[in-house]
Amino acid sequence: AQSVTQLGSHVSVSEGALVLLRCNYSSSVPPYLFWYVQYPNQGLQLLLKYTSAATLVKGINGFEAEFKKSETSFHLTKPSAHMSDAAEYFCAVLEWAGANNLFFGTGTRLTVIP
Amino acid sequence: DAGVTQSPTHLIKTRGQQVTLRCSPISGHKSVSWYQQVLGQGPQFIFQYYEKEERGRGNFPDRFSARQFPNYSSELNVNALLLGDSALYLCASSFRETRGQPQHFGDGTRLSIL
Repeated sequence: AQSVTQLGSHVSVSEGALVLLRCNYSSSVPPYLFWYVQYPNQGLQLLLKYTSAATLVKGINGFEAEFKKSETSFHLTKPSAHMSDAAEYFCAVLEWAGANNLFFGTGTRLTVIP
Repeated sequence: DAGVTQSPTHLIKTRGQQVTLRCSPISGHKSVSWYQQVLGQGPQFIFQYYEKEERGRGNFPDRFSARQFPNYSSELNVNALLLGDSALYLCASSFRETRGQPQHFGDGTRLSIL
C-alpha cells in the first residue's frame, strides 16, 4: 500500500531563507509523486510532479524537488522564501490500481517571517 | 479557460439530511475525482469517474455516491449525514484517467453538519 509521511506539521522560515519541506513515501510500485499547495479557503494547486523521468523536478514559483529512491524521499525546496509562499503544502503519491487516485500526506504549514 | 468549478461554496446541513455537491471539470477533461478534506488533514480519495463510469472508490461508506453526466460534470451525494461528514469536499479533473495525469482541483464545497 502507498503512504506518505510529511515530517513537521509546521515550518517557519525568515523571508529570503531556504525553504525545505520533507516528504517520505512508501510505494509497492514505481511511484509518481506530487507536491500541491493550498492557500486559505482555496483548493489545491499543483506545484510539481515526478513521473520517473529526471530526478530533479522543477515546478512553479521557484520550487523544486529531488526524488531519492535510496532514501524514499521527495523533499520540496526553494532557495529564497517569499511572503507569498505562506500556505499549506501537501505531498502526494499516486497509485495505479484502476484509478488515478492520490494519497496525500497530512500537510506542512509554512509560515514566512518578515 | 475556466478552471474546475464547484457549487455551492458553503453548505450547512443537519444530521440525517442528504446533500448533493456539484462539479464542472475543466473544458476537455473527461475524468473527475472527489476528495474529502477534514480540517487539519490531507485530502482523502472518495471516487473517480471517467466517461461516466466509476473507476475507483476510496474507503467510504455506501452513504456516499456519485455520478458523472454526458457533459463530464459530476455530482457527489451523501445520505444520512453525520457530524463527521463536516469537511471541505474537493473535486479534481484530469484529461484522462490514466496514471500520472495531473489533477486540477476546484476551490471546494465546505460542508458543515449541525
